[in-house]
Amino acid sequence: DVKVTQSSRYLVKRTGEKVFLECVQDMDHENMFWYRQDPGLGLRLIYFSYDVKMKEKGDIPEGYSVSREKKERFSLILESASTNQTSMYLCASSYPRGSSYEQYFGPGTRLTVT
Amino acid sequence: DAKTTQPNSMESNEEEPVHLPCNHSTISGTDYIHWYRQLPSQGPEYVIHGLTSNVNNRMASLAIAEDRKSSTLILHRATLRDAAVYYCIRVPFGNEKLTFGTGTRLTIIP
Repeated sequence: DVKVTQSSRYLVKRTGEKVFLECVQDMDHENMFWYRQDPGLGLRLIYFSYDVKMKEKGDIPEGYSVSREKKERFSLILESASTNQTSMYLCASSYPRGSSYEQYFGPGTRLTVT
Repeated sequence: DAKTTQPNSMESNEEEPVHLPCNHSTISGTDYIHWYRQLPSQGPEYVIHGLTSNVNNRMASLAIAEDRKSSTLILHRATLRDAAVYYCIRVPFGNEKLTFGTGTRLTIIP
């Protein structure tokens, strides 16, 4: 079974802190994604990576950056956390670029910024 | 813009079939229809996808209208574990990204 794991299920940070959310997949997938999910807004794509060191902005990249140094790991970075970044963060992975293969999601990290 | 329309919520009785509709009237010829579901406190999980023909797998069936402007996800015998939010998503061929709408919240009545 494909497994996508996220470093924490729950995280509480203070405004202005630098926050790292980690995601690891074990299926040698090329594509990895970061979404956030908010009530009434559904899932929104923050960033997408189709290869090591490659990234593309999603629909809402402002206030976030990403890092992909190894194929299996994709990190989401909040340089200076703000209260409006309180949300559920979901990581996903899928097969090669240019495919429409299904995405596999992790369990999510619920981040609260106080 | 997810470009699909789904009812906000539906209810169904346990052990009965469930038909979840999705409208995608502006679909183009090479767009796939994907369905995902999200159980409470979990990330979304892939259910099924199709292009033109009806599709079956162990989880569900997907019936796509002949004009492809609508589709229906069919759960043949609902269980309490099928209670979830179901998302219908148009995916252009070769596009890795998914655009989620707000989906249909399915409640299963024991």
